[in-house]
Amino acid sequence: DIVMTQSPLSLPVSPGEPASISCRSSQSLLHSSGHNYFNWYLQKPGQSPQLLIYLGSKRASGVPDRFSGSESGTDFTLKISRVEAEDVGVYYCMQTLQRPITFGQGTRLEIK
Amino acid sequence: QVQLVQSGPVVKRPGSSVRVSCKTSGDTFSNSAINWLRQAPGQGLEWMGGIIPAFDTPNYAQRLQGRITITADRSTSTVYMDLSSLTSDDTAVYYCARAPHPSYCDYWGQGTLVAVSS
Repeated sequence: DIVMTQSPLSLPVSPGEPASISCRSSQSLLHSSGHNYFNWYLQKPGQSPQLLIYLGSKRASGVPDRFSGSESGTDFTLKISRVEAEDVGVYYCMQTLQRPITFGQGTRLEIK
Repeated sequence: QVQLVQSGPVVKRPGSSVRVSCKTSGDTFSNSAINWLRQAPGQGLEWMGGIIPAFDTPNYAQRLQGRITITADRSTSTVYMDLSSLTSDDTAVYYCARAPHPSYCDYWGQGTLVAVSS
């Protein structure tokens, strides 16, 4: 199985400050289409996960442009340019190149 | 408008089976796959399996093989997930999620709590 390793696991951030979450996969997620089969999700308290970034760096519909995803080999980064109170929750990375689909452990973002 | 509406919470005895349903709307059945995932209390996400309703081809996580069955009813646009031989380790919130492309899931159901307790 492909192992996804996230860091940090806990991320306290002040409102208006930037935030960054990393995820490393144990093997390449590059599909023959030329895209990484890699996504970011946010699970807000008491809610289902919501898609933020897909195919490595594409922002999902309705996601604010303060969220961005970048890729470098097997390293992936989610950046929030200016954290807002509504960004609180657990962020998960996910790979879909191989079955079983696997997730990172999750990063809990909290407001200072 | 895409919606995935799941069945309600249930309590099951160890050794029994559970069925969770996921009713879809929109054109999900014609052009998407449906995945099932679960989340144990305070834990992360685990993929269980999926199905492409248009082709009726399920695939399952190896660790659940033999216990899980995913089916699709095209007449009602509903996908079902059956899990047998339940133990307390199966206590979790179960989610269905639409995959319009093999690489990602976009819309998720509201989640169904399955509690396994004697």
